Amino acid sequence: EAGVTQSPTHLIKTRGQQVTLRCSPISGHTSVYWYQQALGLGLQFLLWYDEGEERNRGNFPPRFSGRQFPNYSSELNVNALELEDSALYLCASSLGTSGYTQYFGPGTRLTVL
Amino acid sequence: AQSVTQLDSHVSVSEGTPVLLRCNYSSSYSPSLFWYVQHPNKGLQLLLKYTSAATLVKGINGFEAEFKKSETSFHLTKPSAHMSDAAEYFCVVTISVGGADGLTFGKGTHLIIQP
Repeated sequence: EAGVTQSPTHLIKTRGQQVTLRCSPISGHTSVYWYQQALGLGLQFLLWYDEGEERNRGNFPPRFSGRQFPNYSSELNVNALELEDSALYLCASSLGTSGYTQYFGPGTRLTVL
Repeated sequence: AQSVTQLDSHVSVSEGTPVLLRCNYSSSYSPSLFWYVQHPNKGLQLLLKYTSAATLVKGINGFEAEFKKSETSFHLTKPSAHMSDAAEYFCVVTISVGGADGLTFGKGTHLIIQP
């Protein structure tokens, strides 16, 4: 069974640009989560999608947004990139919501210059 | 509200000796607790999870953890360290009721294995 996949693996952007990261969940999983792992800040919850709807978001500005498609894959969009957005962005998926284990993808490394 | 504290940012052990990574949690509800491992430049891999069944949880690669409600702890142990265990380990908590189902991560413990 294929795990969570993310693309691209690495990305380099400049300040002010926009970026889109993609995530495909494990087959059958309906929930997708996004996390940011920035140096010195640890892993922080960004967004949670389930059945196509945004269910919750962490303490991030509105320029971080995303969506979930009918096939449960998801995109994370970051507008007006700032230097501090440089991080590893991890996607996770789970079978449902409360209490279900989240399985993580390998991440997308974003570097903002 | 929920939080998790990993008591050591770095732990160094010799190969073949026991490993202990300490984690304390705080949760208003019955928590689900997890340990994840992250090898360099890789994503997170689930080691084990506690979801209110047996308090001693066995995971992959010989790791286990014991849930102690009275001490609000969920320490990770392994009897004998292997060089391949060198990685970053995260203790994670989530509440088992509906709501904010994003995981709350500890800051991580970097495990170093000395030959």
